Amino acid sequence: KNEVEQSPQNLTAQEGEFITINCSYSVGISALHWLQQHPGGGIVSLFMLSSGKKKHGRLIATINIQEKHSSLHITASHPRDSAVYICAVRVNFGNEKLTFGTGTRLTIIP
Amino acid sequence: EAGVAQSPRYKIIEKRQSVAFWCNPISGHATLYWYQQILGQGPKLLIQFQNNGVVDDSQLPKDRFSAERLKGVDSTLKIQPAKLEDSAVYLCASSLGLSAGELFFGEGSRLTVL
Repeated sequence: KNEVEQSPQNLTAQEGEFITINCSYSVGISALHWLQQHPGGGIVSLFMLSSGKKKHGRLIATINIQEKHSSLHITASHPRDSAVYICAVRVNFGNEKLTFGTGTRLTIIP
Repeated sequence: EAGVAQSPRYKIIEKRQSVAFWCNPISGHATLYWYQQILGQGPKLLIQFQNNGVVDDSQLPKDRFSAERLKGVDSTLKIQPAKLEDSAVYLCASSLGLSAGELFFGEGSRLTVL
C-alpha cells in the first residue's frame, strides 16, 4: 500500500462543476503539498498545508491531521483547470522526505 | 524572481550513451532535489542536497546515476550508461530549507532512450 493515496485517479467534469480531489496518507507528516502539473509542463505548487484550510482564488485546500486526509476543491471549474493534481506529504522524521501520490488527472469539458 | 532553470528541455539518446542535465535553483534556496517522473507515475526522489551536501540519495541507482552540487548552487545529474527504462522527465526542485516552505519546480528535462 502506498503511503499516499489519491482519489479519484481520473475525473472528467463539465465546466462550472464543483470539483473535489482527495488525498489520504498513512504516516506522520509535518506538511502536505498540493501540486498542479499541466501536460508537458512543469509542476506548480498550489498549497502547502499543515493544518486547517487555505484558499486561493477558486481553489480551496483542507487538511484533517487526525484523520490523515486532505481535499482539494475547485469551484466554478474551467477547461484551463485540466491538469494532473498531485498530493505530496513531507514525512516528519529524518530528513523530512517528500512522498508523492500518483496524481489525479482532471479534465474539464467546455 | 527567476524560477528554477533546467536544461536541456528535451534529449534523445541511444541506450548505453551518456547524458547530463543541469539545474539552477532559485537564488538563496539551500535545498535542491532531483526527481524522476516516469509517464503516468508520480515523481520519485533521486537525490536531495542541502547546500553542497547530500541529504538523501537512497533511491539513486548509483551504478549509473551521479549528481553533484559542488558550490551549493547549481547542480548536474548524469546518467552513464543510459538504459531504456531511464526514459522519463527529470525534474529539479528547490526550497529555502529542508523543512521550510514551498517547493519550486523547474520545467523538467524529458529524456527518451532508444
